[in-house]
Amino acid sequence: EVQLLESGGGLVQPGGSLRLSCAASGFTFSSYAMSWVRQAPGKGLEWVSAISGSGGSTYYADSVKGRFTISRDDSKNTLYLQMNSLRAEDTAVYYCAKDPLYGGNSLAFDYWGQGTLVTVSS
Amino acid sequence: SYELTQPPSVSVSPGQTARITCSGDALPKKYAYWYQQKSGQAPVLVIYEDSKRPSGIPERFSGSSSGTMATLTISGAQVEDEADYYCYSTDSSGNHGVFGGGTKLTVL
Repeated sequence: EVQLLESGGGLVQPGGSLRLSCAASGFTFSSYAMSWVRQAPGKGLEWVSAISGSGGSTYYADSVKGRFTISRDDSKNTLYLQMNSLRAEDTAVYYCAKDPLYGGNSLAFDYWGQGTLVTVSS
Repeated sequence: SYELTQPPSVSVSPGQTARITCSGDALPKKYAYWYQQKSGQAPVLVIYEDSKRPSGIPERFSGSSSGTMATLTISGAQVEDEADYYCYSTDSSGNHGVFGGGTKLTVL
């Protein structure tokens, strides 16, 4: 059974930093691209970032490019999102999600975690 | 930036067919995916690669795509299908993901 468990969310001041983690199990983690998707309170879904199975390719939404960094540690089956220079508009539930394409990168998602809430406020 | 456009809401009676559309200029070349999100829950994939249904998703859910429009069809909608539905795809470069604004489906 595929399981994705996010952690690391919390309250942070504007301009601050936070690192999210996503522990994966139930599949061969290194063979799948992974993504982060967020949802602001009461709003729709927004794709944030993706990373290929090898970690050699990364992709970012324009709204976070230059501030957020996606990475992965295949030895720990863990996905990360380093968030710097946080803004109020980054407040959201952040979901990690698995790509459905084995060995490829469709930038889509077939399994999602339950999410972790990030609140940016003074 | 690239956009996918969905109607904000769709309403049907139980047993009727619900259709939710998603329009985008890159859809002729890029797959559409559909996600169901019930209140307070994580999204669930209901259709992938335009028209394929994951295991465990009821047969009443189907998808199609023609030209710049993808459509999610729920044949014989049930009360438990009430949820927000999001279409998703990538821009023409394939390097950026994009969600539609979401459609609130009401079944009553």
